[in-house]
Amino acid sequence: EVQLVESGGGLVQPGGSLRLSCAASGFTVSSNYMSWVRQAPGKGLEWVSVVYSGGSTYYADSVKGRFTISRDISKNTVYLQMNNLRAEDTAVYYCARGIRGVIPFDYWGQGTLVAVSS
Amino acid sequence: QSVLTQPPSASGTPGQRVTISCSGSSSNIGRNSVDWYQQLPGTAPKLLIYSNDQRPSGVPDRFSGSKSGTSASLAISGLQSEDEADYYCATWDDVLNGPVFGGGTKLPVL
Repeated sequence: EVQLVESGGGLVQPGGSLRLSCAASGFTVSSNYMSWVRQAPGKGLEWVSVVYSGGSTYYADSVKGRFTISRDISKNTVYLQMNNLRAEDTAVYYCARGIRGVIPFDYWGQGTLVAVSS
Repeated sequence: QSVLTQPPSASGTPGQRVTISCSGSSSNIGRNSVDWYQQLPGTAPKLLIYSNDQRPSGVPDRFSGSKSGTSASLAISGLQSEDEADYYCATWDDVLNGPVFGGGTKLPVL
């Protein structure tokens, strides 16, 4: 059974850092395109970042230069290192798997809440 | 401001047919297939339709999708109370070089 479990969210001050984790089971993250998608409170979905099966990484302009996506194949886990956090980064962050490419996302985690506030 | 435009809300009563529109441009819907996600209250999104009109295993055939030009639509026939959710369209944008979503449509079942 495919499962994605996010962790690492919490309250952080503006300018601070946080690392999110997405532990996968039922498949290997290195064989798939793995993305982070976020949803601000009461708002819609926003794609954040992706790591391709081949290891290439891409980012939305809103997080480029501040966020870094990575993966640990031995732990079958994807990470999102978030630096220089801003209030507008406050959101539930979902980990999602791409079916045959970046999209569509066929499996999603339950999400982890990141709140940026002083 | 979302790249894809959806009506913020739609409504229907049990048994009715409801359609939700999604409008884009030549750089996204005009060149790429459209997916639809259903987000029940307090839960993660779930893939409902992919590649314009394909249903993943387990999705009832009451849900259907279509695309024409730079617009797409999701239709729900025989509306049920458990269809009360937010619905999002999504596709790839060749200019932004990444996935883009609509702002979402809230569907209460009255």
